[in-house]
Amino acid sequence: QSALTQPPSASGSPGQSVTISCTGTSSDVGGYNYVSWYQQHPGKAPKLMIYEVSKRPSGVPDRFSGSKSGNTASLTVSGLQAEDEADYYCSSYAGSRVFGGGTKLTVL
Amino acid sequence: QVQLQESGPGLVKPSGTLSLTCAVSGGSISSSNWWSWVRQPPGKGLEWIGEIYHSGSTNYNPSLKSRVTISVDKSKNQFSLKLSSVTAADTAVYYCARDGGKGMDVWGQGTTVTVSS
Repeated sequence: QSALTQPPSASGSPGQSVTISCTGTSSDVGGYNYVSWYQQHPGKAPKLMIYEVSKRPSGVPDRFSGSKSGNTASLTVSGLQAEDEADYYCSSYAGSRVFGGGTKLTVL
Repeated sequence: QVQLQESGPGLVKPSGTLSLTCAVSGGSISSSNWWSWVRQPPGKGLEWIGEIYHSGSTNYNPSLKSRVTISVDKSKNQFSLKLSSVTAADTAVYYCARDGGKGMDVWGQGTTVTVSS
């Protein structure tokens, strides 16, 4: 079971949009709609931002959105704010869970 | 609301067994959720260790399966992790989390475990 592939870094200026990709295989990302995204600030526990590809838990701003095409899922953060600067991890579940390597999002 | 709290030794000797417990408060461990362990080595990403349902059903990361045991104690409303034959590579922050089928939506604060003699 290999880790999902994410770019190590992404950046954008306040107010802009940024998209983070997460590539897996037809056995995980592409085969099931069980992709979730987590935000992690330094020294803190991860926080669920997106589940089942595109659904937002209560309390997560609608600036955060998710999508999937084939074996690649994406997280888009619109209207970037300073507090969005964090590490983001994708995850897929297909009998067992796998995480992506993480993407450090920098707000310029 | 449900809260999770990890506890256990912060230092484990090489070749020993790492043992952690996650106490569930504000809800029942017998609810329709899976209960997971996730770890994060210093400066690295998240790694899923495994999960358990209150019935005792488990799923483990294939790369750790031979060394991992996750168990549940419904009387104490907690679940536990045992990782055997530890090495320095097992040094990490260990998190417990709830997975209600909509992703891991509740996390403990994490506990740091160092493997060193």
